[in-house]
Amino acid sequence: EIVLTQSPATLSLSPGERATLSCRASQSVRNYLAWYQHKPGQAPRLLIYDVSTRATGIPARFSGSGSGTDSTLTISSLEPEDFAIYYCQQRGSWPLTFGGGSKVEIK
Amino acid sequence: QVQLVESGGGVVRPGGSLRLSCKASGFTFSDYGVHWVRQPPGKGLEWVAFIRYDGIINYYGDFVQGRFIISRDNSQNTAHLQMNSLRPEDTALYYCAKDQRAGHENADYFGYWGQGTLVTVSS
Repeated sequence: EIVLTQSPATLSLSPGERATLSCRASQSVRNYLAWYQHKPGQAPRLLIYDVSTRATGIPARFSGSGSGTDSTLTISSLEPEDFAIYYCQQRGSWPLTFGGGSKVEIK
Repeated sequence: QVQLVESGGGVVRPGGSLRLSCKASGFTFSDYGVHWVRQPPGKGLEWVAFIRYDGIINYYGDFVQGRFIISRDNSQNTAHLQMNSLRPEDTALYYCAKDQRAGHENADYFGYWGQGTLVTVSS
């Protein structure tokens, strides 16, 4: 099983600041990595897939980068609606796995 | 618009069974793989099971250990998760999600999610 380790667990930032979230895999995910946003009481939403491709309707302030075992989600300038938990997920091998999540909270 | 509506959750005793359903609308259900993903209280997301668009291929999380069966009925636009031998650690909000892209031969990303149905396993 591929283990995904996300850091930091919590990021305290103000609106307008830049958020950088990391996801490290225990082995290569062959660029089959996605990022999801999850807000309390709502369904998760796909943001980024294949490491760096934005899903339909996702604002340009969200970007993904990386390769092999290390991936990064960057939110260039935080909007009030961006405060949430973010999960990375791989589909490079079975079983599919998620990272433990990174919470972006208002400072 | 795309909708996935889960049902069938509830309270069950350890060792009991539940059958979850996921009713789809707003897209061609038979073209998309379906996943179940769960979230235990206060914890993160955990993938449970996948069934391909044609129902021929399915996979499960390691923790399932033969206790769950995923199925689908494309004529009814519905997927199911039969859960047997339930344990307290199976307590979670269970989400249904569809593949992001149609006709994927293997599992795709989770392109759209339902709101979930709550399963509580307790004596």
